[in-house]
Amino acid sequence: EVQLLESGGGLVQPAGSLRLSCAASGFPFGDYAMSWVRQAPGKGLEWVSMINGRADWATYADSVKGRFTISRDNSKSTLYLQMNSLRAEDTAVYYCAKDHAYHAPYYKDVWGKGTTVTVSS
Amino acid sequence: DIQMTQSPSTLSASVGDRVTITCRASQSISWWLAWYQQKPGKAPKLLIYDASSLQSGVPSRFSGSGSGTEFTLTISSLQPDDFATYYCQQYHNFSPTFGQGTKVEIK
Repeated sequence: EVQLLESGGGLVQPAGSLRLSCAASGFPFGDYAMSWVRQAPGKGLEWVSMINGRADWATYADSVKGRFTISRDNSKSTLYLQMNSLRAEDTAVYYCAKDHAYHAPYYKDVWGKGTTVTVSS
Repeated sequence: DIQMTQSPSTLSASVGDRVTITCRASQSISWWLAWYQQKPGKAPKLLIYDASSLQSGVPSRFSGSGSGTEFTLTISSLQPDDFATYYCQQYHNFSPTFGQGTKVEIK
């Protein structure tokens, strides 16, 4: 069964840091680009970042550029999102998603259940 | 960034109704468009990709059409399981964007 399972969410103070993880199973992880997508409470979906299958190229939304870093370990089939300088507006459910492509943020055919990040003092 | 605008924002309909949701792009995105369904507290689910291709396992009452800047998602006969929020997403460039969502409510 194809599955994505996020972890690492929680409550963090403004300006703090957090690292999210996403464990993948059931498909050849290194053959696909992976993305993070977030959803603020009561709001719509916002793409955050994508990394290609070989982990040598990534792209970010302007809202997180310079603060967030996406990475992956293909030997562990795991995706990461390092989030620094967190702001209240980063509060959201963060979803890990599989892109149906190797090198580009494409349509997302598999989604995790999400992990909640709350930035508050 | 390419802006995606959905209409309506909310739609009230009855079981059995034919429902159409529109998504407009701020510039041409060819057919690089996907539709997702999301229920409260759940992750989005892919319904349609490449504007009109039905994802495996999705009921045939869902269909997509359009190209360029205007796209539609149609549910031919609304079922109780279809009450949810629907999002379009463009993947024309390296900065994908979603529409704001259309909530389909029970009339």
